[in-house]
Amino acid sequence: NAGVTQTPKFRVLKTGQSMTLLCAQDMNHEYMYWYRQDPGMGLRLIHYSVGEGTTAKGEVPDGYNVSRLKKQNFLLGLESAAPSQTSVYFCASSVTGLGYTFGSGTRLTVV
Amino acid sequence: RKEVEQDPGPFNVPEGATVAFNCTYSNSASQSFFWYRQDCRKEPKLLMSVYSSGNEDGRFTAQLNRASQYISLLIRDSKLSDSATYLCVVNKASGYSTLTFGKGTMLLVSP
Repeated sequence: NAGVTQTPKFRVLKTGQSMTLLCAQDMNHEYMYWYRQDPGMGLRLIHYSVGEGTTAKGEVPDGYNVSRLKKQNFLLGLESAAPSQTSVYFCASSVTGLGYTFGSGTRLTVV
Repeated sequence: RKEVEQDPGPFNVPEGATVAFNCTYSNSASQSFFWYRQDCRKEPKLLMSVYSSGNEDGRFTAQLNRASQYISLLIRDSKLSDSATYLCVVNKASGYSTLTFGKGTMLLVSP
């Protein structure tokens, strides 16, 4: 039982490059989330989804896009990476919108 | 007032000590409260939910005071393995429920 799997685990991007972070869950959860965590800032919600085909903006959505084409997958895209997007990205999923299960994170550095 | 505010850390305690973490939240409509634990460079994991009547899980006791919008976590008989960052978490209670995380308080338990 894998739970929530994030790929890749590490990535270095140059400014202006694009990339997609993948989150996959095998628990049949309806709700999925993308957070970023920065030193001194805590976890901040980027985007979330309450079901297949739906997405919504969180606290810090600018510079990111998401898609939830399949219930088990939630993709986070960076169209033109900026150094300010250097962070640790966590995906999470839940059944009810409350008890989250997190993935192990993606460490992204933009140079 | 910040949505979720925690004691600044770190807390340095010897093994066997009792330590208390405090947290305040600003949204009086919030209904669900949690403590998460995050080890260094790892994902957050649910430690316990917090109920109005207070709840205990082994050495851990969580309490909620809705009138004061205050949450606490008490750890008795601290172990070296309790060293981690403790995150106070509250549901946003507007529209679809999402969780808002405090910045966390680091605990360091020494021999």
